[in-house]
Amino acid sequence: DVKVTQSSRYLVKRTGEKVFLECVQDMDHENMFWYRQDPGLGLRLIYFSYDVKMKEKGDIPEGYSVSREKKERFSLILESASTNQTSMYLCASRAQGGYTFGSGTRLTVV
Amino acid sequence: RKEVEQDPGPFNVPEGATVAFNCTYSNSASQSFFWYRQDCRKEPKLLMSVYSSGNEDGRFTAQLNRASQYISLLIRDSKLSDSATYLCVAELNTGFQKLVFGTGTRLLVSP
Repeated sequence: DVKVTQSSRYLVKRTGEKVFLECVQDMDHENMFWYRQDPGLGLRLIYFSYDVKMKEKGDIPEGYSVSREKKERFSLILESASTNQTSMYLCASRAQGGYTFGSGTRLTVV
Repeated sequence: RKEVEQDPGPFNVPEGATVAFNCTYSNSASQSFFWYRQDCRKEPKLLMSVYSSGNEDGRFTAQLNRASQYISLLIRDSKLSDSATYLCVAELNTGFQKLVFGTGTRLLVSP
């Protein structure tokens, strides 16, 4: 089974901090994604990557950037965290037949 | 208008009941469709893919109507363990493949 691992389950950060969320998959998948999930809004795509060093903006990229230096690792960066970025962040990896999600990082910005 | 729309529920049903969820999508470029299940405070997990011919996996049946841009999920003989949020998902291919999620339908199965 594909394993997608997110480095932190819970994070609390201060407004203005630079925040790194890490995601690692173990199946050599090319396509990886970052979503955020908020009540009533569902999952919204922030950024995705289809290969090393390649990235594409999703639907809500403002305030975020990403890094894909190695195939297995896709990092989400909050350049200057704000309270409206408090959310559940989910990383996903795509394979034939579906997507596998990491267990999520619940980020609180205070 | 949301690209994928679902009734948020909750649907409250007794054990053993049959329950159906519906979903509509607006982007005709949507190519593949899925139902995901999400338990409280957990990540979404693939329940099943949805095909035009309809497909069944045990107590679960999924249907796709491309003409009406409509997807359904039928759960027969509901179990307590079916209580979860069910996410309707469309995969778009606009040069890159990406998933678009509905906000989910919450199901509560009671004894």
